[in-house]
Amino acid sequence: EAQVTQNPRYLITVTGKKLTVTCSQNMNHEYMSWYRQDPGLGLRQIYYSMNVEVTDKGDVPEGYKVSRKEKRNFPLILESPSPNQTSLYFCASSRGHNSPLHFGNGTRLTVT
Amino acid sequence: AQSVTQLDSHVSVSEGTPVLLRCNYSSSYSPSLFWYVQHPNKGLQLLLKYTSAATLVKGINGFEAEFKKSETSFHLTKPSAHMSDAAEYFCVVSDPLGSSNTGKLIFGQGTTLQVKP
Repeated sequence: EAQVTQNPRYLITVTGKKLTVTCSQNMNHEYMSWYRQDPGLGLRQIYYSMNVEVTDKGDVPEGYKVSRKEKRNFPLILESPSPNQTSLYFCASSRGHNSPLHFGNGTRLTVT
Repeated sequence: AQSVTQLDSHVSVSEGTPVLLRCNYSSSYSPSLFWYVQHPNKGLQLLLKYTSAATLVKGINGFEAEFKKSETSFHLTKPSAHMSDAAEYFCVVSDPLGSSNTGKLIFGQGTTLQVKP
């Protein structure tokens, strides 16, 4: 089954403790991206990747890192999480940036 | 710069009546435009997509949207609402390959559709 898998679904952590949210897709998609969803703000793009080893900043990249060492995986790294990064995070992939996105089921992160 | 404005944060309709969710965009190029739907506790699902082939785009579940360049709008409509349409809807703009914004996707703030029995 074609899917985008994010882990974990829920995560509670404390300020400053490094964490990684994993994202994997099995559709051989070139384009992958991360979003955060906050009430009243819709989804905002954090980082995106057009292909392996090619990443670029979205609109809200501060406090986040990503890597794209292989096509299927696009982890989101928070080196020193802060409470303002408490949010619902979505990973998505597509054949290209103008192709329909396939979304994961989301990761709800709480930073205390 | 790209931007997307969904003109209503909340729309309430009765089952069987028409749905109109409004979206205006701003782009320096001829953009691609999308509508996605998000049901509670789920990821987003594509409803339809415009990429300059035809101005009236038909999507899944009876939804359609019309691209109006003169009005910079891409409103989503459905003739008759169903209870299962209750969800949050997002309008999205993407600039074409080769533009300075290639790869960036801008989402609207979302419109919550409530369908009353």
